[in-house]
Amino acid sequence: GAGVSQSPSNKVTEKGKDVELRCDPISGHTALYWYRQSLGQGLEFLIYFQGNSAPDKSGLPSDRFSAERTGGSVSTLTIQRTQQEDSAVYLCASSLVALYGYTFGSGTRLTVV
Amino acid sequence: EDQVTQSPEALRLQEGESSSLNCSYTVSGLRGLFWYRQDPGKGPEFLFTLYSAGEEKEKERLKATLTKKESFLHITAPKPEDSATYLCAYMYSGGGADGLTFGKGTHLIIQP
Repeated sequence: GAGVSQSPSNKVTEKGKDVELRCDPISGHTALYWYRQSLGQGLEFLIYFQGNSAPDKSGLPSDRFSAERTGGSVSTLTIQRTQQEDSAVYLCASSLVALYGYTFGSGTRLTVV
Repeated sequence: EDQVTQSPEALRLQEGESSSLNCSYTVSGLRGLFWYRQDPGKGPEFLFTLYSAGEEKEKERLKATLTKKESFLHITAPKPEDSATYLCAYMYSGGGADGLTFGKGTHLIIQP
């Protein structure tokens, strides 16, 4: 596609439920990143996929968070047993060469009630 | 301790009033310093990457510069459509995974 597509754009869930967030990167971009943006905070790195290499999960805040990337394209971020502190905007980005800059999607706004 | 600090947190200017935004960083081994623009409800939009001290890049009314410890985003004769949050980020050797570390941003408002 022309840009990075994320769905859903908004998600309201009850505390304790699991959620799945989807990211469809720009075609041909080998690198995919997930970031989290909380109110008043900077973007927080979560996880990074590069081609067929094992993902860098160093930014995941707890073992309730996981992500996968199928076929080197679409990625899904899963949050299990959601907590109120998980409420944030989850942003996905992709790049061909990271040093040339990422392209971000519009994000998924997650609200845990 | 924050490794990248942006100032001011917020800035209100009149249309046509030029100013500069600051991004200070403390890491060594910088591979790239990035500037992004973020509009409400949208993801960040890439503006520039600077790779070495002394480098400058321009785009319309924006010019980004880089020294060994900070970067400036100069806005010349801004218009209301330049209102946005401006984010800086860096990538450094040893940072792992080509990840970017972002500052908290400067919220810029240009009044007509």
